[in-house]
Amino acid sequence: QKEVEQNSGPLSVPEGAIASLNCTYSDRGSQSFFWYRQYSGKSPELIMFIYSNGDKEDGRFTAQLNKASQYVSLLIRDSQPSDSATYLCAVKYTGANSKLTFGKGITLSVRP
Amino acid sequence: GAVVSQHPSWVICKSGTSVKIECRSLDFQATTMFWYRQFPKQSLMLMATSNEGSKATYEQGVEKDKFLINHASLTLSTLTVTSAHPEDSSFYICSARVKGLPLFSYEQYFGPGTRLTVT
Repeated sequence: QKEVEQNSGPLSVPEGAIASLNCTYSDRGSQSFFWYRQYSGKSPELIMFIYSNGDKEDGRFTAQLNKASQYVSLLIRDSQPSDSATYLCAVKYTGANSKLTFGKGITLSVRP
Repeated sequence: GAVVSQHPSWVICKSGTSVKIECRSLDFQATTMFWYRQFPKQSLMLMATSNEGSKATYEQGVEKDKFLINHASLTLSTLTVTSAHPEDSSFYICSARVKGLPLFSYEQYFGPGTRLTVT
């Protein structure tokens, strides 16, 4: 069974700090990795996706992927109160019937 | 960007009645639509996957006779919760995959969700 684990949290950081969100996955065949942000009562919105080992940066967000360790993380630099939300890690195994498997999410609170 | 809409955004119904939720891709054709359910403080759980013109594939533990899915066209999928009960109260979210893109690429867009409350 494919599993996505997000065991840390909730996470609280002061405004301007770096928030680090971690995720591990069980299926070595997983090939696509996604971070979604979900505000309370809303549906998820895509923040970052990554396919290759290493770092991928987009503005204040950096996704890091280590396939050998089956580990993907999201760094948020210069955290803002508006970043306070639940962050969902999702993994997709590439194939004809591929589908997203979500972790439980990490709730981030950025203190002003 | 690709937009997915859902209707209604929230609905309250009495126990024993049926509720239909619509999911539409507004500016693209969706080969596949996914239906998720999310209980408070829990993650999204995939209920079923539907492809246009064919029967939906349900995840283990999801009652296909209770959650009827119809993917009538490349832009519309509906989820009908039949004989709803209070335990069906949840946040239902659809997602659509864009037709024509490689399977490995990101192409799954989420609707805004429908909050169902069964009294």
